[in-house]
Amino acid sequence: EVQLVQSGAEVKKPGESLKISCKGSGYSFTSYWIGWVRQMPGKGLEWMGIIYPGDSDTRYSPSFQGQVTISADKSISTAYLQWSSLKASDTAMYYCAGVVVPAALQFDYWGQGTLVTVSS
Amino acid sequence: QSALTQPASVSGSPGQSITISCTGTSSDVGGYNYVSWYQQHPGKAPKLMIYDVSNRPSGVSNRFSGSKSGNTASLTISGLQAEDEADYYCSSYTSSSTPVFGGGTKLTVL
Repeated sequence: EVQLVQSGAEVKKPGESLKISCKGSGYSFTSYWIGWVRQMPGKGLEWMGIIYPGDSDTRYSPSFQGQVTISADKSISTAYLQWSSLKASDTAMYYCAGVVVPAALQFDYWGQGTLVTVSS
Repeated sequence: QSALTQPASVSGSPGQSITISCTGTSSDVGGYNYVSWYQQHPGKAPKLMIYDVSNRPSGVSNRFSGSKSGNTASLTISGLQAEDEADYYCSSYTSSSTPVFGGGTKLTVL
């Protein structure tokens, strides 16, 4: 069974850095691309970017380019989403999702989500 | 890339059928057969319900069906059940080689 398990909820202050994770199991981690999706409180889904763990080829949504960094370590089947300087507006639920067919960019498998709260 | 347009809410009674529309442009919905639909219950992660416009992943009820005409895709749920009450999001591949989501539709089962 394909599973994506994300790291736990985080509470941070503005200006702090953060790296959240998404660990894949039940499949070959380099078989699927991993995407990240933001959901702000009470709002819809927003695509942030995607990475192929095999060679770390990464694409970003223009809205998030330069704001976050997506990376992966295939040796431990884990993808990451990180911020160097958080803002209050980064408060949201963040989901990782597995993409079986990268040409289609459809999200076949989802992690349980990581809630990030940024508050002074 | 602007978000795809979905109705904010739809409702139906148990046993009825409802349809949720998802309108884009020729640069996304109309240009590719890569439209997907996701169901999200409160406090839960989204779940893929339809991919490639009309295909159901294994395990998804055949009460869920998808279609597309021009720049508008549709999700139809037949034989509505209480457990179908959730938010539904469409998504499409775009000419920018990125995906775009719809704004989401809240389905209420009366």
